[in-house]
Amino acid sequence: QQQVKQSPQSLIVQKGGISIINCAYENTAFDYFPWYQQFPGKGPALLIAIRPDVSEKKEGRFTISFNKSAKQFSLHIMDSQPGDSATYFCAPMNTGNQFYFGTGTSLTVIP
Amino acid sequence: SAVISQKPSRDICQRGTSLTIQCQVDSQVTMMFWYRQQPGQSLTLIATANQGSEATYESGFVIDKFPISRPNLTFSTLTVSNMSPEDSSIYLCSVAYSDGQPQHFGDGTRLSIL
Repeated sequence: QQQVKQSPQSLIVQKGGISIINCAYENTAFDYFPWYQQFPGKGPALLIAIRPDVSEKKEGRFTISFNKSAKQFSLHIMDSQPGDSATYFCAPMNTGNQFYFGTGTSLTVIP
Repeated sequence: SAVISQKPSRDICQRGTSLTIQCQVDSQVTMMFWYRQQPGQSLTLIATANQGSEATYESGFVIDKFPISRPNLTFSTLTVSNMSPEDSSIYLCSVAYSDGQPQHFGDGTRLSIL
């Protein structure tokens, strides 16, 4: 599944800082762009998602920025907290509900 | 969102045996999926569980190794057959209410093969 490239692989941020995770894709048929959050021992949980008709979506401290022409979308976590420490996956989806998971980003927020 | 229960949550099995993993959802869903996740790695789709018909398998996964059942809109099973140490992984069930809707995941089954 080389259609999705996620970066960075790991990220360490101070409490209160901004965490930024990027996802680049190749398939122009993707029409749904979610980010999933996974804690150890748990399944991935939908965090925030965007459709391609908007360029940005904000939910609390979490924002998705979407650049259709560049085929990229990113997750911004404002005022990062230790409780945000988890693994984050981008998983763009095409019709038929087929997700293409990125390689994951391990985020550590230092108190 | 859906409440998804997977059983067992973990197991340790002997080489050559088979294990059936159950996925129960608290409401009817259109689509059910099975994934595999190696510790610290991303998720790989095994198959889409289709109600009343054979599952649709992804490249690299075959029915003889991973038979799947889906008798109704709230339940599915995945069997890992003739297990080897390479099958040690986390197996996750996910569901979607309809096409175009996000998937929701169970907490997975952690399987170790000795």
